[in-house]
Amino acid sequence: EIVLTQSPGTLSLSPGERATLSCRASQSVSSSYLAWYQQKPGQAPRLLIYGASSRATGIPDRFSGSGSGTDFTLTISRLEPEDFAVYYCQQYGSSSWTFGQGTKVEIK
Amino acid sequence: EVQLVESGGGLVQPGGSLRLSCAASGFTFSSYWMSWVRQAPGKGLEWVANIKQDGSEKYYVDSVKGRFTISRDNAKNSLYLQMNSLRAEDTAVYYCARVVVVAATPRSYYYYMDVWGKGTTVTVSS
Repeated sequence: EIVLTQSPGTLSLSPGERATLSCRASQSVSSSYLAWYQQKPGQAPRLLIYGASSRATGIPDRFSGSGSGTDFTLTISRLEPEDFAVYYCQQYGSSSWTFGQGTKVEIK
Repeated sequence: EVQLVESGGGLVQPGGSLRLSCAASGFTFSSYWMSWVRQAPGKGLEWVANIKQDGSEKYYVDSVKGRFTISRDNAKNSLYLQMNSLRAEDTAVYYCARVVVVAATPRSYYYYMDVWGKGTTVTVSS
């Protein structure tokens, strides 16, 4: 089973700053199988990025994804107040899915 | 509007059973793989089970194999999760999600969950 490790656990930033979130896989992951989700308290997850770098419908272009192999990154270029949330990476493999443990982006 | 609405959650004693439902609308339900994902209180997301469009393939996380059964009724646009022999560690919000499998290149596919319900809460406690 592929394990996804996200870092940092918590990121304390101010609105307008750049956020860089990391997702590291225990073995190589196909880029097309890597997705990122945003979750706010009391809400369901929301798809942000699929295929490691493709933005989902309606996602602002301040969100971008990159990476390949075992290292993937979600970047939020300029944090808006509504971006403070928990972010999860996810990978598909062998007919199953695994999620990272999440990175919380909080207001500094 | 594309929508998924879960129901059936509640309080159940350890060892008990519960059946969750997910009603789909706004899209051709029978064209999509579907999943259940859960989230324990204060914890992260955990995939639980997948089912193919026609129900012919089903996959489960190891911790629920032999206890949970995923199923679907395409005529009713509904997804189900039968949960037996429930344990305290099954306490969570359970989400149903639509799975997208589309060609990325002639030799690879995108896999992701693009629509999620709001979830239903299952509490296993005596």
